[in-house]
Amino acid sequence: GENVEQHPSTLSVQEGDSAVIKCTYSDSASNYFPWYKQELGKGPQLIIDIRSNVGEKKDQRIAVTLNKTAKHFSLHITETQPEDSAVYFCAASKNFNKFYFGSGTKLNVKP
Amino acid sequence: GAVVSQHPSWVICKSGTSVKIECRSLDFQATTMFWYRQFPKQSLMLMATSNEGSKATYEQGVEKDKFLINHASLTLSTLTVTSAHPEDSSFYICSAGSTGTGGWDNEQFFGPGTRLTVL
Repeated sequence: GENVEQHPSTLSVQEGDSAVIKCTYSDSASNYFPWYKQELGKGPQLIIDIRSNVGEKKDQRIAVTLNKTAKHFSLHITETQPEDSAVYFCAASKNFNKFYFGSGTKLNVKP
Repeated sequence: GAVVSQHPSWVICKSGTSVKIECRSLDFQATTMFWYRQFPKQSLMLMATSNEGSKATYEQGVEKDKFLINHASLTLSTLTVTSAHPEDSSFYICSAGSTGTGGWDNEQFFGPGTRLTVL
Protein backbone atom coordinates (compact mmCIF):
# COMPACT_ATOMS: atom_id res chain seq x y z
CA GLY A 1 0.00 0.00 0.00
CA GLU A 2 0.85 3.66 0.00
CA ASN A 3 3.24 5.11 2.56
CA VAL A 4 3.29 8.85 3.15
CA GLU A 5 6.03 10.47 5.19
CA GLN A 6 5.84 14.06 6.40
CA HIS A 7 8.46 16.43 7.77
CA PRO A 8 8.98 18.25 10.01
CA SER A 9 6.79 17.06 12.87
CA THR A 10 6.87 20.52 14.45
CA LEU A 11 7.62 23.88 12.92
CA SER A 12 7.86 27.19 14.68
CA VAL A 13 8.07 30.43 12.67
CA GLN A 14 7.79 34.12 13.35
CA GLU A 15 4.70 35.91 12.11
CA GLY A 16 5.27 37.10 8.56
CA ASP A 17 7.82 34.43 7.75
CA SER A 18 7.24 31.53 5.37
CA ALA A 19 6.63 27.92 6.34
CA VAL A 20 7.35 24.83 4.26
CA ILE A 21 6.16 21.32 4.98
CA LYS A 22 7.31 18.38 2.89
CA CYS A 23 5.84 14.98 2.14
CA THR A 24 7.02 11.96 0.21
CA TYR A 25 4.92 9.10 -1.07
CA SER A 26 5.76 5.60 -2.21
CA ASP A 27 3.10 4.60 -4.73
CA SER A 28 3.79 6.12 -8.12
CA ALA A 29 0.16 5.45 -9.05
CA SER A 30 -1.08 8.03 -6.53
CA ASN A 31 -2.53 10.96 -8.44
CA TYR A 32 -4.20 13.25 -5.94
CA PHE A 33 -2.46 15.08 -3.10
CA PRO A 34 -4.51 17.18 -0.69
CA TRP A 35 -3.37 19.18 2.30
CA TYR A 36 -5.51 19.53 5.40
CA LYS A 37 -5.49 21.86 8.36
CA GLN A 38 -6.74 20.48 11.64
CA GLU A 39 -7.47 22.57 14.67
CA LEU A 40 -7.71 21.07 18.13
CA GLY A 41 -10.80 18.89 18.55
CA LYS A 42 -12.00 19.38 15.00
CA GLY A 43 -11.99 17.43 11.78
CA PRO A 44 -9.47 18.20 9.01
CA GLN A 45 -10.26 21.00 6.60
CA LEU A 46 -9.01 20.94 3.03
CA ILE A 47 -6.82 23.95 2.34
CA ILE A 48 -5.34 23.11 -1.04
CA ASP A 49 -4.88 20.12 -3.29
CA ILE A 50 -3.00 19.17 -6.43
CA ARG A 51 -3.43 16.50 -9.03
CA SER A 52 -0.65 14.61 -10.73
CA ASN A 53 -1.06 16.42 -14.03
CA VAL A 54 -0.04 19.72 -12.43
CA GLY A 55 3.29 20.75 -10.97
CA GLU A 56 2.23 23.70 -8.88
CA LYS A 57 -0.92 25.31 -7.55
CA LYS A 58 -1.37 28.52 -5.65
CA ASP A 59 -4.21 30.01 -3.65
CA GLN A 60 -3.39 33.39 -2.11
CA ARG A 61 -0.77 32.74 0.62
CA ILE A 62 -0.80 28.98 0.15
CA ALA A 63 0.92 26.99 -2.58
CA VAL A 64 1.63 23.35 -3.24
CA THR A 65 4.31 21.88 -5.48
CA LEU A 66 4.52 18.36 -6.79
CA ASN A 67 7.52 16.47 -8.12
CA LYS A 68 6.22 13.21 -9.55
CA THR A 69 9.66 11.92 -10.48
CA ALA A 70 10.95 12.27 -6.94
CA LYS A 71 7.54 11.44 -5.47
CA HIS A 72 7.38 14.37 -3.15
CA PHE A 73 5.13 17.35 -2.66
CA SER A 74 5.35 20.39 -0.47
CA LEU A 75 3.10 22.96 1.17
CA HIS A 76 4.25 26.55 1.21
CA ILE A 77 2.61 29.19 3.40
CA THR A 78 3.82 32.75 2.97
CA GLU A 79 3.29 35.73 5.27
CA THR A 80 2.26 33.45 8.10
CA GLN A 81 -0.25 34.69 10.65
CA PRO A 82 -1.02 33.44 14.18
CA GLU A 83 -4.28 31.95 12.92
CA ASP A 84 -2.26 29.66 10.68
CA SER A 85 -1.16 27.81 13.82
CA ALA A 86 -2.60 24.29 13.62
CA VAL A 87 -1.66 20.76 12.65
CA TYR A 88 -1.25 20.22 8.94
CA PHE A 89 -1.58 16.85 7.22
CA CYS A 90 -0.65 15.84 3.73
CA ALA A 91 -2.33 12.91 2.04
CA ALA A 92 -2.03 10.84 -1.10
CA SER A 93 -4.71 9.04 -3.00
CA LYS A 94 -5.06 6.93 -6.11
CA ASN A 95 -8.25 7.83 -7.91
CA PHE A 96 -9.82 9.03 -4.64
CA ASN A 97 -10.39 5.44 -3.53
CA LYS A 98 -8.45 5.73 -0.29
CA PHE A 99 -6.58 8.53 1.39
CA TYR A 100 -3.29 7.87 3.14
CA PHE A 101 -2.18 10.56 5.55
CA GLY A 102 1.20 11.79 6.63
CA SER A 103 2.05 11.96 10.31
CA GLY A 104 1.23 15.64 10.64
CA THR A 105 3.13 18.87 11.27
CA LYS A 106 2.32 21.11 14.17
CA LEU A 107 2.84 24.68 12.99
CA ASN A 108 3.27 27.39 15.57
CA VAL A 109 3.30 30.98 14.33
CA LYS A 110 4.68 33.29 16.98
CA PRO A 111 3.29 36.85 17.03
CA GLY B 1 -18.31 23.65 0.11
CA ALA B 2 -20.18 20.52 1.11
CA VAL B 3 -20.92 19.77 4.75
CA VAL B 4 -20.47 16.52 6.62
CA SER B 5 -21.87 16.20 10.11
CA GLN B 6 -21.20 13.69 12.85
CA HIS B 7 -23.29 12.82 15.85
CA PRO B 8 -22.58 12.76 18.66
CA SER B 9 -19.61 15.10 18.92
CA TRP B 10 -18.52 13.36 22.08
CA VAL B 11 -19.68 10.33 24.04
CA ILE B 12 -18.68 8.67 27.28
CA CYS B 13 -19.70 5.07 27.84
CA LYS B 14 -19.03 2.20 30.18
CA SER B 15 -16.81 -0.69 29.22
CA GLY B 16 -18.79 -3.46 27.53
CA THR B 17 -21.47 -1.26 26.02
CA SER B 18 -21.94 -0.38 22.35
CA VAL B 19 -21.80 3.08 20.85
CA LYS B 20 -23.17 4.24 17.51
CA ILE B 21 -21.70 7.19 15.63
CA GLU B 22 -23.52 8.76 12.71
CA CYS B 23 -21.97 10.44 9.69
CA ARG B 24 -24.19 12.46 7.38
CA SER B 25 -23.53 14.32 4.16
CA LEU B 26 -25.90 17.26 4.45
CA ASP B 27 -26.04 18.72 0.97
CA PHE B 28 -24.71 16.06 -1.34
CA GLN B 29 -24.98 12.35 -1.91
CA ALA B 30 -22.03 10.12 -1.08
CA THR B 31 -21.81 6.60 -2.40
CA THR B 32 -18.62 6.16 -0.45
CA MET B 33 -17.72 7.33 3.01
CA PHE B 34 -14.55 6.67 4.97
CA TRP B 35 -14.04 6.11 8.67
CA TYR B 36 -10.82 7.12 10.38
CA ARG B 37 -9.45 6.81 13.86
CA GLN B 38 -7.09 9.35 15.35
CA PHE B 39 -5.15 9.00 18.57
CA PRO B 40 -3.90 12.12 20.38
CA LYS B 41 -1.17 13.91 18.49
CA GLN B 42 -1.17 11.26 15.79
CA SER B 43 -2.30 11.03 12.21
CA LEU B 44 -5.58 9.75 10.82
CA MET B 45 -5.67 6.01 10.35
CA LEU B 46 -8.12 4.69 7.79
CA MET B 47 -10.33 2.05 9.36
CA ALA B 48 -12.77 1.18 6.61
CA THR B 49 -14.47 2.27 3.44
CA SER B 50 -18.24 2.42 3.72
CA ASN B 51 -20.11 1.67 0.50
CA GLU B 52 -23.77 2.50 0.10
CA GLY B 53 -25.85 -0.63 -0.26
CA SER B 54 -23.00 -3.08 0.24
CA LYS B 55 -20.59 -4.31 2.86
CA ALA B 56 -17.84 -2.10 4.14
CA THR B 57 -14.24 -2.75 3.21
CA TYR B 58 -12.00 -2.90 6.25
CA GLU B 59 -8.31 -2.10 6.43
CA GLN B 60 -5.93 -4.76 7.59
CA GLY B 61 -5.91 -5.15 11.35
CA VAL B 62 -9.34 -3.59 11.90
CA GLU B 63 -11.82 -5.95 13.50
CA LYS B 64 -14.97 -5.92 11.40
CA ASP B 65 -17.02 -7.58 14.13
CA LYS B 66 -16.03 -4.90 16.59
CA PHE B 67 -16.45 -1.89 14.33
CA LEU B 68 -19.74 -2.39 12.52
CA ILE B 69 -20.37 -0.10 9.59
CA ASN B 70 -23.68 0.44 7.89
CA HIS B 71 -24.22 2.69 4.89
CA ALA B 72 -27.98 2.53 4.51
CA SER B 73 -28.47 5.58 2.33
CA LEU B 74 -26.52 8.00 0.16
CA THR B 75 -26.35 10.49 3.00
CA LEU B 76 -25.83 8.35 6.10
CA SER B 77 -23.18 5.97 7.34
CA THR B 78 -22.98 4.65 10.89
CA LEU B 79 -20.09 3.20 12.86
CA THR B 80 -20.97 1.07 15.86
CA VAL B 81 -18.24 0.24 18.33
CA THR B 82 -19.41 -2.97 19.94
CA SER B 83 -18.43 -4.11 23.43
CA ALA B 84 -16.30 -1.03 23.84
CA HIS B 85 -13.18 -1.11 25.99
CA PRO B 86 -10.93 1.69 27.23
CA GLU B 87 -8.45 1.04 24.41
CA ASP B 88 -11.20 1.96 21.94
CA SER B 89 -11.16 5.50 23.31
CA SER B 90 -10.19 7.72 20.42
CA PHE B 91 -11.28 10.45 18.03
CA TYR B 92 -13.34 8.97 15.20
CA ILE B 93 -13.67 10.96 11.99
CA CYS B 94 -15.65 10.26 8.86
CA SER B 95 -15.27 11.72 5.41
CA ALA B 96 -17.39 11.71 2.31
CA GLY B 97 -16.75 12.57 -1.30
CA SER B 98 -19.16 13.81 -3.87
CA THR B 99 -19.47 12.17 -7.22
CA GLY B 100 -18.33 15.10 -9.25
CA THR B 101 -21.36 17.35 -9.25
CA GLY B 102 -21.52 20.92 -8.04
CA GLY B 103 -17.86 21.54 -8.72
CA TRP B 104 -16.66 19.31 -5.90
CA ASP B 105 -14.99 16.74 -8.05
CA ASN B 106 -14.11 13.94 -5.66
CA GLU B 107 -12.93 16.27 -2.94
CA GLN B 108 -13.16 14.64 0.46
CA PHE B 109 -15.10 16.54 3.11
CA PHE B 110 -14.43 15.60 6.70
CA GLY B 111 -16.84 15.55 9.57
CA PRO B 112 -15.99 17.36 12.81
CA GLY B 113 -15.15 14.10 14.56
CA THR B 114 -16.55 12.20 17.55
CA ARG B 115 -14.58 11.91 20.77
CA LEU B 116 -15.24 8.50 22.35
CA THR B 117 -14.19 7.85 25.93
CA VAL B 118 -14.72 4.38 27.34
CA LEU B 119 -14.55 4.14 31.13
